[in-house]
Amino acid sequence: EVQLLESGGGLVQPGGSLRLSCAASGFTFSSYAMSWVRQAPGKGLEWVSSIGGGGVNTYYADLVKGRFTVSRDNSKNTLYLQMNSLRADDTAVYYCAKSPGMTSDGFDVWGQGTMVTVSS
Amino acid sequence: QAVLTQPASLSASPGASASLTCTLRSGINVGTYRIYWYQQKPGSPPQFLLRYKSDSDKQQGSGVPSRFSGSKEASANAGILLISGLQSEDEADYYCMIWHSSAWVFGGGTKLTVL
Repeated sequence: EVQLLESGGGLVQPGGSLRLSCAASGFTFSSYAMSWVRQAPGKGLEWVSSIGGGGVNTYYADLVKGRFTVSRDNSKNTLYLQMNSLRADDTAVYYCAKSPGMTSDGFDVWGQGTMVTVSS
Repeated sequence: QAVLTQPASLSASPGASASLTCTLRSGINVGTYRIYWYQQKPGSPPQFLLRYKSDSDKQQGSGVPSRFSGSKEASANAGILLISGLQSEDEADYYCMIWHSSAWVFGGGTKLTVL
């Protein structure tokens, strides 16, 4: 069974940093692109970042470009999101999502999410 | 103007059909895009329903019933998610998505009420 388990969320002050992790199981992790999608409380879905299966190709939403860094460790079957210079409007549930192939082609499996709260 | 526009809410009766629209901004041609649809129930992550570009380029999500189907209305520059034989369990938020200008873009979502 394909499973994605996010961790690392929590309360952080504005300007602070946080690193999210997504542990994957049940599939050949390195063969699939992965992404992060967030959802602010009571709001819609917002794509944050994607990374190809090999870890070379990365993509970011304009709102997070230069502040967030996506990476993956295929030997550990884990996806990461390093978030720096956090702002109040980064407060959201962050979902890890798997693509159906090596390159990003939508998201076919989602994790349960981890909550990030940016507040003083 | 947003890239993708969805009506905020829609109501329909059990057993009826519901047509959820996802309108692309003027200047963005719906014919060239794969449109992805997701369902999200309260307190749960989104689930992939299907993607649709054309009748020859479409994919149903794993385990998703055939009463969920995709199409396009070129004259309206819109993607459509059709849900037939509505059931109470279909009550949820529905989001459309496209890959545009090197970014994944979601619509604002439609809250479907089955009553």
